[in-house]
Amino acid sequence: NAGVTQTPKFRILKIGQSMTLQCAQDMNHNYMYWYRQDPGMGLKLIYYSVGAGITDKGEVPNGYNVSRSTTEDFPLRLELAAPSQTSVYFCASSYSPVQVYGYTFGSGTRLTVV
Amino acid sequence: DAKTTQPTSMDCAEGRAANLPCNHSTISGNEYVYWYRQIHSQGPQYIIHGLKNNETNEMASLIITEDRKSSTLILPHATLRDTAVYYCIVRPQGGSEKLVFGKGTKLTVNP
Repeated sequence: NAGVTQTPKFRILKIGQSMTLQCAQDMNHNYMYWYRQDPGMGLKLIYYSVGAGITDKGEVPNGYNVSRSTTEDFPLRLELAAPSQTSVYFCASSYSPVQVYGYTFGSGTRLTVV
Repeated sequence: DAKTTQPTSMDCAEGRAANLPCNHSTISGNEYVYWYRQIHSQGPQYIIHGLKNNETNEMASLIITEDRKSSTLILPHATLRDTAVYYCIVRPQGGSEKLVFGKGTKLTVNP
């Protein structure tokens, strides 16, 4: 049981480049989330999904896109990378109702935009 | 959303109990209190949650006051590996399934 797997672990992008952060879970969780964490700060929700084909914006969605074509995968797309997107990105998943099972987080992707 | 207030940092001696407070005075009757922790550079880890009764698991105990306006996470015998940022979170209302993270409490366990 791998839990939540994120790839890559590290990446350096140039301004204006694009990339996709991958997230996969093998726990059959309906709910999946993307958070970003800037140095010394708490986590901020970017996007979330309550099931395949359904996504919604979180606190800081600008500059990002997501899709959820399967229960297992929830990729995060950066179209035009900017220095402000330098951060650590965490993917998470949970059962529903969330208050019973809590969240499981991946180990993160550290992204630097130069 | 219900807000939480936690001290920015705390210290604890190894082997002693660590008591981490959290105020959530505007919590609603159907909102749960969750505790997570984040060890340096890792993803947050779920610790425990509760509604109104005290809870205990293999990691910690959660004490919620009778009026539910505050709670305390207790690590009974803190070790150096418990050094982390601890987040107290109240689950939002309105059927939303997402958790909102504040800055948490940085707990340092000293030898």
